[in-house]
Amino acid sequence: QSALTQPASVSGSPGQSITISCTGPRSDVVNYDLVSWYQHHPGKAPKLMIFAVNKRPSGVSARFSGSKSGNTASLTISGLQAEDEADYYCCSYAGSYYVFGTGTKVTVL
Amino acid sequence: QVQLLESGTGLVKPSGTLSLTCAVSGGSISSTNWWSWVRQPPGKGLEWIGQIYHNGNTNYNPSLESRVTISVDKSKNQFSLKLSSVTAADTAVYYCASQYSNSYYFDYWGQGTLVTVSS
Repeated sequence: QSALTQPASVSGSPGQSITISCTGPRSDVVNYDLVSWYQHHPGKAPKLMIFAVNKRPSGVSARFSGSKSGNTASLTISGLQAEDEADYYCCSYAGSYYVFGTGTKVTVL
Repeated sequence: QVQLLESGTGLVKPSGTLSLTCAVSGGSISSTNWWSWVRQPPGKGLEWIGQIYHNGNTNYNPSLESRVTISVDKSKNQFSLKLSSVTAADTAVYYCASQYSNSYYFDYWGQGTLVTVSS
């Protein structure tokens, strides 16, 4: 099965907004209504940031938001902060298994 | 709040079997959660391995299904991963994770444990 495709890297200055895309096969293969996003700092456990496309778990900053259009999901980080520098992965359900995105390294300049 | 802690052998010989356990605390493994394993090879992205429900129902990644077995031990409140016929490509940090009922996302994660496949 194919992974979901993300840009390898995205960068921005503090205070700016960035968007990470997550594109995959047609929507009858992957359910894009079930996309979740994870923040991963090296050496730490991944952290759930967004689920069901655009819902934020309790405790996650409102600077993180999600959306989707067709077979592309997106994560937007507004008001970029130094602590946002990490790897980000999208994930979704493909009928009987989960598929992760290729991962995006976010750099705060 | 659920806490997960991975343990197991850190070094496995090629063609051998990788064995890991995830201890669950702060909640019961018999709750309405699915319990998953996810791995990250060095320098690469996350890969979902498979999941188990407390009744023993499992789902596996099709690319690994022939080599993977996930089991649950309700008496010890833990679940386990066995991956057979390992090669260097199976060297990775292995994470256990939970998802509530049919939520389709992973809300709690362990810290991960590195498994190296080498002779």
